[in-house]
Amino acid sequence: NAGVMQNPRHLVRRRGQEARLRCSPMKGHSHVYWYRQLPEEGLKFMVYLQKENIIDESGMPKERFSAEFPKEGPSILRIQQVVRGDSAAYFCASSLSVAGISYEQYFGPGTRLTVT
Amino acid sequence: DAKTTQPNSMESNEEEPVHLPCNHSTISGTDYIHWYRQLPSQGPEYVIHGLTSNVNNRMASLAIAEDRKSSTLILHRATLRDAAVYYCILSSGGSNYKLTFGKGTLLTVNP
Repeated sequence: NAGVMQNPRHLVRRRGQEARLRCSPMKGHSHVYWYRQLPEEGLKFMVYLQKENIIDESGMPKERFSAEFPKEGPSILRIQQVVRGDSAAYFCASSLSVAGISYEQYFGPGTRLTVT
Repeated sequence: DAKTTQPNSMESNEEEPVHLPCNHSTISGTDYIHWYRQLPSQGPEYVIHGLTSNVNNRMASLAIAEDRKSSTLILHRATLRDAAVYYCILSSGGSNYKLTFGKGTLLTVNP
């Protein structure tokens, strides 16, 4: 059973360009989460999505960042007009169900974004 | 969000048990206690979670104090592959999915 897949694993962008990060959840998982880990810091929650719906985006920066999880295909985290401060590791996780009960999240290997 | 406090680092010997402590004195009644670990350059890996009762799984045991203000992750026999940063995380009520990772405890396992 393949785990959570993320690509690319490493991404280099110049300031002002767009970054697109992809996440394929584990088979059967319909809940996807994105986290960001800045250098020397812990992971911080960004957004929680279900198929075609954003459930909680309270951790997303207000501008330039967006996320989607279409009916078909991977979840995409999009960062427009990247700045040096966006350099970080971005992790995607997926889970089986929520239903008000705590559950485990399975994390991908992350995408390391470097903005030059 | 309720906060957790963990030692910055701990050391253990291979084949010995490891007890990783976590204090969470401001925990509320609906907060779950999660443990994840992270190896260098990898994503976090789920270890265990619980609410009130002690929990066991194939990886570890979670001992939760009666007042829930602290918990201990127990690795019964440490191996070199257990060397990682261990995070104790609380998630609250209606947003149990929202995990906030602190600095965690860096566990070193000596051969």
